[in-house]
Amino acid sequence: AAGVIQSPRHLIKEKRETATLKCYPIPRHDTVYWYQQGPGQDPQFLISFYEKMQSDKGSIPDRFSAQQFSDYHSELNMSSLELGDSALYFCASSLWGQANEKLFFGSGTQLSVL
Amino acid sequence: AQSVTQLDSQVPVFEEAPVELRCNYSSSVSVYLFWYVQYPNQGLQLLLKYLSGSTLVKGINGFEAEFNKSQTSFHLRKPSVHISDTAEYFCAVSPLSGNTPLVFGKGTRLSVIA
Repeated sequence: AAGVIQSPRHLIKEKRETATLKCYPIPRHDTVYWYQQGPGQDPQFLISFYEKMQSDKGSIPDRFSAQQFSDYHSELNMSSLELGDSALYFCASSLWGQANEKLFFGSGTQLSVL
Repeated sequence: AQSVTQLDSQVPVFEEAPVELRCNYSSSVSVYLFWYVQYPNQGLQLLLKYLSGSTLVKGINGFEAEFNKSQTSFHLRKPSVHISDTAEYFCAVSPLSGNTPLVFGKGTRLSVIA
């Protein structure tokens, strides 16, 4: 069965550069969540989308923005990267209304900021 | 708001011994409870979840957990661990509203010793 696809798997950037992370949810899933997991830390919720609209917002820095497109894939745009942005970024998808009963995570994008 | 406390940051255990990873939660409303496993350099994989019904939940890889509402706990257990169980384990909680993002604990590093 198709799973949540994230790209790229690994990304290396320099300070002050920009980065774009992509998430392709499971087919027919309309809700996408983004999480950030720093080294040795627990995943922290960043932002979520349902039907292309932001549905919830967590600890996402102002330097980051995200959107969901008509095919339900989502992109996380990160600007003015800082060393502290180095983390594993997870995307998860679900059907609206079933989020925490049937939530599926991607394998994540490992971002390293040098 | 919900919060999760994983009482042990690291648990070393010998192969074939039993293990219990502790999780307590705090919430003013009824919740769903989850355990996720994260192997090195990989994403989050759902081990098991409690949504309703029987308080003893069985998951993959021989793990089980028991929901105790009076003690607000959801401890994870396995009667006999294998080397391959070495991983980070995260307890998570969400309210029953269905779309509220998961709140994770800080994680417990299980190290199985041969």
